[in-house]
Amino acid sequence: DGGITQSPKYLFRKEGQNVTLSCEQNLNHDAMYWYRQDPGQGLRLIYYSQIVNDFQKGDIAEGYSVSREKKESFPLTVTSAQKNPTAFYLCASSIKISRDTYVRLNYGYTFGSGTRLTVV
Amino acid sequence: GESVGLHLPTLSVQEGDNSIINCAYSNSASDYFIWYKQESGKGPQFIIDIRSNMDKRQGQRVTVLLNKTVKHLSLQIAATQPGDSAVYFCAETGRYNFNKFYFGSGTKLNVKP
Repeated sequence: DGGITQSPKYLFRKEGQNVTLSCEQNLNHDAMYWYRQDPGQGLRLIYYSQIVNDFQKGDIAEGYSVSREKKESFPLTVTSAQKNPTAFYLCASSIKISRDTYVRLNYGYTFGSGTRLTVV
Repeated sequence: GESVGLHLPTLSVQEGDNSIINCAYSNSASDYFIWYKQESGKGPQFIIDIRSNMDKRQGQRVTVLLNKTVKHLSLQIAATQPGDSAVYFCAETGRYNFNKFYFGSGTKLNVKP
């Protein structure tokens, strides 16, 4: 079955430690996204990538880094610079949308099952 | 980002009743909307979408209504079942920023047996 897999499901980070969250998809999607979800708040975009070897900052990129070396993979590193990393992290993927195809295609994100990161 | 919000944080309904979940958006340029369902500890699932050239779209037991005049979106769930209990939130995007969706904070739907 095609899908998007996040691992681990739970992750604990010590102060000053970098941790990396994995996201893999076999949907042949070009675009991938990382969102952060805090209680009572909407999803906030951290980084996104429309194509291999290219990515853009989202609304809350500070303290995070990503790479997109393969189409299938979009790992997120939470660095020690992120002062409040405890949250639920969601990875998503979609077909690549251009300004031309936007009006013709219906597209939603396929989300992974999330990683809950806790600072200990 | 643009503001996408929900009127009610929690909605409790009796099993078998219809549910209505609301969402307000502030960007008049938004023209593509999606409703997602998120069960506890899981990632959001796509329910239904609608474009701004439509007022209404129906799926299986779900209907989305769009009122562009007041920038309001609603999700109607018919004959609500216990399996419908989840957090529901809307997402919007537009030609100005079609690569990214903005998400509301969600409404928690509790279905009482």
